[in-house]
Amino acid sequence: LAKTTQPISMDSYEGQEVNITCSHNNIATNDYITWYQQFPSQGPRFIIQGYKTKVTNEVASLFIPADRKSSTLSLPRVSLSDTAVYYCLVAGRYSSASKIIFGSGTRLSIRP
Amino acid sequence: EAGVVQSPRYKIIEKKQPVAFWCNPISGHNTLYWYLQNLGQGPELLIRYENEEAVDDSQLPKDRFSAERLKGVDSTLKIQPAELGDSAVYLCASSLGLRTSGGPSTDTQYFGPGTRLTVL
Repeated sequence: LAKTTQPISMDSYEGQEVNITCSHNNIATNDYITWYQQFPSQGPRFIIQGYKTKVTNEVASLFIPADRKSSTLSLPRVSLSDTAVYYCLVAGRYSSASKIIFGSGTRLSIRP
Repeated sequence: EAGVVQSPRYKIIEKKQPVAFWCNPISGHNTLYWYLQNLGQGPELLIRYENEEAVDDSQLPKDRFSAERLKGVDSTLKIQPAELGDSAVYLCASSLGLRTSGGPSTDTQYFGPGTRLTVL
């Protein structure tokens, strides 16, 4: 079971780069790593997804080492609106329901 | 493009009463998911549909929970009878569905706003 471990909470300031790491020691060959962002009273929103090395899009970067046992979500120059809960999900397209586990997430607080 | 639509957004019922949640996925998305999210926790997958077929309902408490997706589009999740411990947010998500690529594949999920259920 690819259980994930993330820090419960993190604090940062506007304009800073924030890195949130997720550990997933039992990741399977077919598993992808996906990060979601969730605001209060909303469903999770897709941020970024990757399989290995580095992926970058307009809002974030995802770094995945060669052993794929962890991943780091990098948010450049955060703003107050980035205050949210961030979830790391490790699963493959054919993962069973018991394997699609979001975990408790990381509560990110951004201060002025 | 419209996102995943869920209704109602909020529901308050007394224990032992039945309740139903409705979900309309993104147009063209074949896969539909129902999740339960307790306060301060991540979403927990209850059931996944590929078109009208429930391909994985191993996490669905079948004694009181049921779901259907009759025409492979909209879906309904039902609880009967509801218990106090069922108070949570029920999220629906959809994704494009099966891919034919030979290698590892993935399928990004898009979530609705959820239905907040309170059982008194």
